[in-house]
Amino acid sequence: DSGVTQTPKHLITATGQRVTLRCSPRSGDLSVYWYQQSLDQGLQFLIQYYNGEERAKGNILERFSAQQFPDLHSELNLSSLELGDSALYFCASKPGQGGGELFFGEGSRLTVL
Amino acid sequence: AQSVTQLDSHVSVSEGTPVLLRCNYSSSYSPSLFWYVQHPNKGLQLLLKYTSAATLVKGINGFEAEFKKSETSFHLTKPSAHMSDAAEYFCVVTHSGGGADGLTFGKGTHLIIQP
Repeated sequence: DSGVTQTPKHLITATGQRVTLRCSPRSGDLSVYWYQQSLDQGLQFLIQYYNGEERAKGNILERFSAQQFPDLHSELNLSSLELGDSALYFCASKPGQGGGELFFGEGSRLTVL
Repeated sequence: AQSVTQLDSHVSVSEGTPVLLRCNYSSSYSPSLFWYVQHPNKGLQLLLKYTSAATLVKGINGFEAEFKKSETSFHLTKPSAHMSDAAEYFCVVTHSGGGADGLTFGKGTHLIIQP
């Protein structure tokens, strides 16, 4: 158990809909990362937050947004969903901004029908 | 700039035989290197890490990796494969600057264990 909690574990929705994925980082970790994993694209970095502020953006679509709240949990919002958004979405955390390993949650599997 | 190349997308070995998963990296900085394992429908779990201490790093489940600066490699090995080792393995390079841009994942190697 990494200490990173993601909900929901599975989500099935329709095209055009909007969903919110939630992540609780390990206790004390200030940095939260979001990744998307699909069969064709592999593991793609989406966005990083540190202590409530956005720190880096990767291949995140404009239809996607995220935030990190004062209690350090984070939410990833996916809107106007398309079939191609079906993927595993991972959250990871680590204590600070420096080097060091990430601790991953078990992911939220999104299926868009 | 940095990059990581996992030289094999799939590796198949028989149970009880050695495992070798290859990883080459490039980095403008003194790198830290990691191996993660992902079992089906699970998150990524840290196997081991190199952070400029001993070049031979031991990890969980009998895995180890050797940092070779001259070869810019960080290959993952295990003397004897077990069926439970079947999973996806990711090599990751980062540097002390951290941040998301400092983390680079390889494309993964799918390890298949034949009975």
